[in-house]
Amino acid sequence: GQQVMQIPQYQHVQEGEDFTTYCNSSTTLSNIQWYKQRPGGHPVFLIQLVKSGEVKKQKRLTFQFGEAKKNSSLHITATQTTDVGTYFCAGPWGNTPLVFGKGTRLSVIA
Amino acid sequence: NAGVTQTPKFQVLKTGQSMTLQCAQDMNHNSMYWYRQDPGMGLRLIYYSASEGTTDKGEVPNGYNVSRLNKREFSLRLESAAPSQTSVYFCASDSHFSYEQYFGPGTRLTVT
Repeated sequence: GQQVMQIPQYQHVQEGEDFTTYCNSSTTLSNIQWYKQRPGGHPVFLIQLVKSGEVKKQKRLTFQFGEAKKNSSLHITATQTTDVGTYFCAGPWGNTPLVFGKGTRLSVIA
Repeated sequence: NAGVTQTPKFQVLKTGQSMTLQCAQDMNHNSMYWYRQDPGMGLRLIYYSASEGTTDKGEVPNGYNVSRLNKREFSLRLESAAPSQTSVYFCASDSHFSYEQYFGPGTRLTVT
């Protein structure tokens, strides 16, 4: 089964609205990474969270790692058309160095 | 620096044919990875090489083989292609195992 669950699968927002994607694991993760993939492109690393309860910001993007290190979220404030793409969370699982969630595809309507 | 490069960009194979996907990185990274991406499935790890001289199976290794030719190059081989291997294949690398990964542009493979 899917070790790292991500919701929602799709999100359509009007430009200027906020967007949040959630990532959940059934077990504690040592760290979690977030990637963005533009349509037709390759995944690009955004951030890595390591500490329990950690919050990191990159301009309009806010990343959180849960206290139990089993969940994480990515929040985008006031979306822009440049935010379009699929956002993936990923974490180490067993002997697998990185297991990716299925991603949340964000579309922004101008 | 070119980062991670992959060849070819596109490939069409007939069932049963073989081919090798090439990947090279110029960032002096120790670890390299091969993923496949199918619609709605995210990225799934096929094989990885934590360091030069070692390779290990990932989540979906069946039907594939890999070679870590040197520190720079990591190839993926399909010995007898099947339609189920139609996918986009990404190579990635990182400096330390499980750190941020840098991805190549991908190879879009169709098996008919």
